[in-house]
Amino acid sequence: GENVEQHPSTLSVQEGDSAVIKCTYSDSASNYFPWYKQELGKGPQLIIDIRSNVGEKKDQRIAVTLNKTAKHFSLHITETQPEDSAVYFCAASMTKGAQKLVFGQGTRLTINP
Amino acid sequence: KAGVTQTPRYLIKTRGQQVTLSCSPISGHRSVSWYQQTPGQGLQFLFEYFSETQRNKGNFPGRFSGRQFSNSRSEMNVSTLELGDSALYLCASSLTGQGAEKLFFGSGTQLSVL
Repeated sequence: GENVEQHPSTLSVQEGDSAVIKCTYSDSASNYFPWYKQELGKGPQLIIDIRSNVGEKKDQRIAVTLNKTAKHFSLHITETQPEDSAVYFCAASMTKGAQKLVFGQGTRLTINP
Repeated sequence: KAGVTQTPRYLIKTRGQQVTLSCSPISGHRSVSWYQQTPGQGLQFLFEYFSETQRNKGNFPGRFSGRQFSNSRSEMNVSTLELGDSALYLCASSLTGQGAEKLFFGSGTQLSVL
């Protein structure tokens, strides 16, 4: 079955700097890759997603890139702010059939003021 | 539009008991999925329901079960609770539950087994 590896497990950056979180997946049949942000006491919140027919997608300060050949995808957050501090999860799923997300282990991002 | 609602927010049970968790999906969403979140294993898929039918199941023992009602609301049940069942149980909904749909999560039910 699918396996998703996420790195790093913790990341600390200065406010205003960029943060990058990387994930690799094992099943070449996976072609949908969402990213979630989870704040303390809350459920995961979808922040951006990408399908395998697209190499990059941007939404304001957040971008995701996908390298299907290498089976890895990354989350880029620019101009980080204190409210970006949270745990971020990547996930992978196949577009066909019933939905089943396989998640990475998560990255705890801390933005230092 | 209201989000995914899970009740109760917290539960404390003892080993051997059973528990039922409830989930109301976003209005209009017909697919409901359940995930277990623990510090050690992370987020793991339990099962997915659409039109009252379980379409997909994760690698969990038969003590974990669920159902979906005609109004798309869902419940999951865990019987004969074990200490290792302590976790945050998350419900998520999407329109039809197809693989590339956006999946929206509730805040979860925190289950503690003593």
